Amino acid sequence: ETGVTQSPTHLIKTRGQQVTLRCSSQSGHNTVSWYQQALGQGPQFIFQYYREEENGRGNFPPRFSGLQFPNYSSELNVNALELDDSALYLCASSDARGGFAGELFFGEGSRLTVL
Amino acid sequence: AQRVTQPEKLLSVFKGAPVELKCNYSYSGSPELFWYVQYSRQRLQLLLRHISRESIKGFTADLNKGETSFHLKKPFAQEEDSAMYYCALSQSNAGNMLTFGGGTRLMVKP
Repeated sequence: ETGVTQSPTHLIKTRGQQVTLRCSSQSGHNTVSWYQQALGQGPQFIFQYYREEENGRGNFPPRFSGLQFPNYSSELNVNALELDDSALYLCASSDARGGFAGELFFGEGSRLTVL
Repeated sequence: AQRVTQPEKLLSVFKGAPVELKCNYSYSGSPELFWYVQYSRQRLQLLLRHISRESIKGFTADLNKGETSFHLKKPFAQEEDSAMYYCALSQSNAGNMLTFGGGTRLMVKP
């Protein structure tokens, strides 16, 4: 069984640029969610995708967008990067059924630095 | 809006001492509460959830709706318990969208 994998592990961008982060879900999982974790803080929910559609969003602006593909892999895109976007971005997959909270399986994260 | 508060950033205890990691939440509905743990150089993982009422690695947590708390407890700490602990809340019928607290680093000294 393959766990959640994320790429790249580290990247550096400058203000105003765009970034795409990628995530491969754990085998058999149909739901993927993305979290932003700033230094010294807990993860903050960005959005969730279920069967290729966004079905939940946290308090993040529209320049944060995502996709989920038929194989349940996912992308997080951030446009017009700001310094405060510097953080660890975590992807988590799960097998959500009927709205009940299932266990989240996290990747190791992509650390984004915006200069 | 829901909120999870972990008042202690760092908790340091000696091996064999009891441990209590505090978690308070605010949410008007019926929440589901979780504890996630991150050991050194490992990824974030589920430790336990209130709905299953399990004891995992000697840890237990009881949901107290009156005090809106979900404290994590262990009677005798072990060095391998040293890790970052996050309390998290999911709204009822909100699937896996979690609100995390800021985390508590537990250090168990020999």
